[in-house]
Amino acid sequence: QKEVEQDPGPLSVPEGAIVSLNCTYSNSAFQYFMWYRQYSRKGPELLMYTYSSGNKEDGRFTAQVDKSSKYISLFIRDSQPSDSATYLCAMTGNTGKLIFGQGTTLQVKP
Amino acid sequence: NAGVTQTPKFRILKIGQSMTLQCAQDMNHNYMYWYRQDPGMGLKLIYYSVGAGITDKGEVPNGYNVSRSTTEDFPLRLELAAPSQTSVYFCASSLQRGGGETQYFGPGTRLLVL
Repeated sequence: QKEVEQDPGPLSVPEGAIVSLNCTYSNSAFQYFMWYRQYSRKGPELLMYTYSSGNKEDGRFTAQVDKSSKYISLFIRDSQPSDSATYLCAMTGNTGKLIFGQGTTLQVKP
Repeated sequence: NAGVTQTPKFRILKIGQSMTLQCAQDMNHNYMYWYRQDPGMGLKLIYYSVGAGITDKGEVPNGYNVSRSTTEDFPLRLELAAPSQTSVYFCASSLQRGGGETQYFGPGTRLLVL
């Protein structure tokens, strides 16, 4: 069983839709949860970071962590074609060693 | 700041050849990392460094070597390239290695081993 599972998609939505991206994990030691965005042929860049359980909002993006279910989500409101990218979840405990999900490819159609 | 830079962008190697992937950062970060990204597999840590002269293995170190003689540079050496090393390689850096630290990634090097 992989430590972090993420549906690779692809996920295709119309512009303006609400997008939900999810990851599940098995290691209860994970405390820090991140979402990276990766445009085609570019390196990943940090989009959102959450510590422990709860929600965090930044503009059109909301990250949720449910540690009891070992489940994290990223919501994108009013999705735009510029949001088309691969979204990677990543998580770590106190070691700082990042474990990445496989990434979900998102396409937002105009 | 240029951030994290990588060279070359793309390279084709023959089986058994060797090469060095270059990585440099200008953010004065202590920690540097090498990852490989295979299609549908996420990123896997190859090696990392906590500072000049100190390196350690990640999840998939076999077939690779690293060195870190300066804070800025962290080259990755492939000896005797194999088709299994066909991948996209990313270098990253961070100020610390705590759970909340942001890792900054370079643009990647695409390697094809034939």
